[in-house]
Amino acid sequence: GAGVSQSPSNKVTEKGKDVELRCDPISGHTALYWYRQSLGQGLEFLIYFQGNSAPDKSGLPSDRFSAERTGGSVSTLTIQRTQQEDSAVYLCASSLARRSSYGYTFGSGTRLTVV
Amino acid sequence: DQQVKQNSPSLSVQEGRISILNCDYTNSMFDYFLWYKKYPAEGPTFLISISSIKDKNEDGRFTVFLNKSAKHLSLHIVPSQPGDSAVYFCAAAAAGNKLTFGGGTRVLVKP
Repeated sequence: GAGVSQSPSNKVTEKGKDVELRCDPISGHTALYWYRQSLGQGLEFLIYFQGNSAPDKSGLPSDRFSAERTGGSVSTLTIQRTQQEDSAVYLCASSLARRSSYGYTFGSGTRLTVV
Repeated sequence: DQQVKQNSPSLSVQEGRISILNCDYTNSMFDYFLWYKKYPAEGPTFLISISSIKDKNEDGRFTVFLNKSAKHLSLHIVPSQPGDSAVYFCAAAAAGNKLTFGGGTRVLVKP
């Protein structure tokens, strides 16, 4: 597609339930990133996929968070046993992963509300 | 440990005047810096960038200045327009593709 697509755009879930957030990057972009923005906060790095390399998971806040990227394209971020502090906007971005092209393209995000 | 800081959470400026947004960083390994703009309910969009080998980069109404010795960069918007009202994020990278973002500055341009 023309841009990065994220679904769903909004998700309300009960505390303790699992959620899956989906990201479709721009075709041909080898790098994919997940960030989240909590209310009033900046963008917090979660995880980074680059081609076939092992993902950089250094930003995942707990072992309840996991992500995968199938076939080098679509990515799914899974949050197990959601907690209220997981409420945030989850943003996915993709890029060509060249140092001359740091200009990530972000999706519009998934607003997750844990009640 | 916040490696990229934007100490001003908000800024209000009159239309036509200059907006100056500031950003400080602590990691001396950062060698590429970017500014992103974010409207409500949208993802951030890339605005302008600067490599550490430069101290200034200009693109239309937007200019980014980098002071490596002070580990400080700034974004100047002149003249400011009402459509510039948004949240601006400073970001930095070190020898890789992962960006570290600041907390953002909300800019309001008053007509």
